[in-house]
Amino acid sequence: GEDVEQSLFLSVREGDSSVINCTYTDSSSTYLYWYKQEPGAGLQLLTYIFSNMDMKQDQRLTVLLNKKDKHLSLRIADTQTGDSAIYFCAESMVDNFNKFYFGSGTKLNVKP
Amino acid sequence: NAGVTQTPKFQVLKTGQSMTLQCAQDMNHNSMYWYRQDPGMGLRLIYYSASEGTTDKGEVPNGYNVSRLNKREFSLRLESAAPSQTSVYFCASSDRDSDTDTQYFGPGTRLTVL
Repeated sequence: GEDVEQSLFLSVREGDSSVINCTYTDSSSTYLYWYKQEPGAGLQLLTYIFSNMDMKQDQRLTVLLNKKDKHLSLRIADTQTGDSAIYFCAESMVDNFNKFYFGSGTKLNVKP
Repeated sequence: NAGVTQTPKFQVLKTGQSMTLQCAQDMNHNSMYWYRQDPGMGLRLIYYSASEGTTDKGEVPNGYNVSRLNKREFSLRLESAAPSQTSVYFCASSDRDSDTDTQYFGPGTRLTVL
């Protein structure tokens, strides 16, 4: 099956930038996503990028996609304590209708 | 517009008991999904329904059944609960006719099987 990998933990200081990384194995991805999960809550879509794009910026969030290395990253500028959460990357496939593949999630801890 | 709702929020079962987790969406989405989330394993797809009247197995369907009651509702049933089914269950929906496959998630049901 498809393999989406993330590091488990990241700790940063408030005001610094955070970079959360993700690698995937299937080159037939159509969209790649970043979701945020706060404690005790469901997953909330943060942003997504189409597989033929290299970068997408949305306020404090920047998504970078390196298709050659199958590497996706999420940069959060000026990280705040409210950004503390688990961040999941996910991919969907053009030939695998309705199937999403999620990474195991990166727990971001923002220290004041 | 409530999005995706799930009931119950919490449940404790004894081994062998049965229960049904309910999910409803009010976004007129065609597709609905059930996932389970276990520590360090991300989300794994149990079953999905591409449209009303159809259901298909996902990655981990054993021990579960589903019913797509109508376009709004998609239920997950555990016929004989086992401790290995202790998990957090998420329902999601998406609209394949939109520009993306974005999935919208419910708040989850935390199930403990003793």
